[in-house]
Amino acid sequence: DTAVSQTPKYLVTQMGNDKSIKCEQNLGHDTMYWYKQDSKKFLKIMFSYNNKELIINETVPNRFSPKSPDKAHLNLHINSLELGDSAVYFCASSFSQGAGNTIYFGEGSWLTVV
Amino acid sequence: AQSVTQLDSHVSVSEGTPVLLRCNYSSSYSPSLFWYVQHPNKGLQLLLKYTSAATLVKGINGFEAEFKKSETSFHLTKPSAHMSDAAEYFCVLSGAGSYQLTFGKGTKLSVIP
Repeated sequence: DTAVSQTPKYLVTQMGNDKSIKCEQNLGHDTMYWYKQDSKKFLKIMFSYNNKELIINETVPNRFSPKSPDKAHLNLHINSLELGDSAVYFCASSFSQGAGNTIYFGEGSWLTVV
Repeated sequence: AQSVTQLDSHVSVSEGTPVLLRCNYSSSYSPSLFWYVQHPNKGLQLLLKYTSAATLVKGINGFEAEFKKSETSFHLTKPSAHMSDAAEYFCVLSGAGSYQLTFGKGTKLSVIP
């Protein structure tokens, strides 16, 4: 039973295309996240949703648009892909109440823009 | 503001010898601290976490970490390295809310046979 699952795992696409990455969690968490990991392995939060409401929106180009149809899903849509968008994108989830709640990560989606 | 510093970008040990991965933190709040491991082409897996209970925290696969407030450190240790421990390790700080995570830059652990 995969706790946080995201698809696709690998995605190769051309510049200018639009693509989506889907994420689902079956842990009953109320908060979901998207993180980006660059080529140097540095992880940076992009978005966070709590109960389907956007609570964190870091400095991310507006070509990136998250959508949360319900608490268990948080999808990431990217328009007009650029070479610099090539990275690993991680979905994650947690309970929001109280500091120290463990964040559970998906396996990652490797995006390559050519 | 909060920050996490992983003092070594790369650590190399021989199989069977001890592992020490160092992490210092800075936080205005009582911190919660985590260590995650990332194997090649995999997601992040929680090794252990500290949330103001016992200062010595035991995790999975024989890892443990000690929270030292006076030194603002949360170093990860393991008595005997195994080949399967080769991975990237991240020290992570949680502040006032779980979504305020701050990641260290990672330490790559290599294990030499």
